[in-house]
Amino acid sequence: GAGVSQSPRYKVAKRGQDVALRCDPISGHVSLFWYQQALGQGPEFLTYFQNEAQLDKSGLPSDRFFAERPEGSVSTLKIQRTQQEDSAVYLCASSSGLAGRADTQYFGPGTRLTVL
Amino acid sequence: DAKTTQPTSMDCAEGRAANLPCNHSTISGNEYVYWYRQIHSQGPQYIIHGLKNNETNEMASLIITEDRKSSTLILPHATLRDTAVYYCIVSSWAGSYQLTFGKGTKLSVIP
Repeated sequence: GAGVSQSPRYKVAKRGQDVALRCDPISGHVSLFWYQQALGQGPEFLTYFQNEAQLDKSGLPSDRFFAERPEGSVSTLKIQRTQQEDSAVYLCASSSGLAGRADTQYFGPGTRLTVL
Repeated sequence: DAKTTQPTSMDCAEGRAANLPCNHSTISGNEYVYWYRQIHSQGPQYIIHGLKNNETNEMASLIITEDRKSSTLILPHATLRDTAVYYCIVSSWAGSYQLTFGKGTKLSVIP
């Protein structure tokens, strides 16, 4: 079946521009996560949704970062007034949300954001 | 939250078994051990997970010690396509079941 998809795969923005990154999770998956991966580092958690509810946004680095999942399926990560330090790969993952600790997250290919 | 320790890098000859160790000495009784890998320029790929018993699937085997303080991921017949960064993660609650990735082990499969 279809996995997690993300678009665009690559995004170049000028400093100060706003960007929107899209995630299409696996159909029926309740849980959705966003991660940020800087060059040479492991992914770091940004935020978590259960259906349309954003239950954990403790990893968002600043108030310029905003995520939404209005209908409990597709999610958008928005970054306002981008800065060079926002350059990274943004990964989306989804899981069924049914198994608690044993719930497996499946990742998309990521969006590589470069801020000039 | 429980943390893991992995070697920075390992080499393995093509066709041989790759054994990747992980220490998680502070793991709690109900926390799972997950393994993911990340091939260059791709998203992390789920490999396997376990609680206390050894697990096997089509990709790999996971051996967890009886005291659960360490585990080993085994790729039985490594191929060049298995060259990747392998992450050992303990699934613990921190506001959500977010995955806390470390630096992982860079596995290089040598022809």
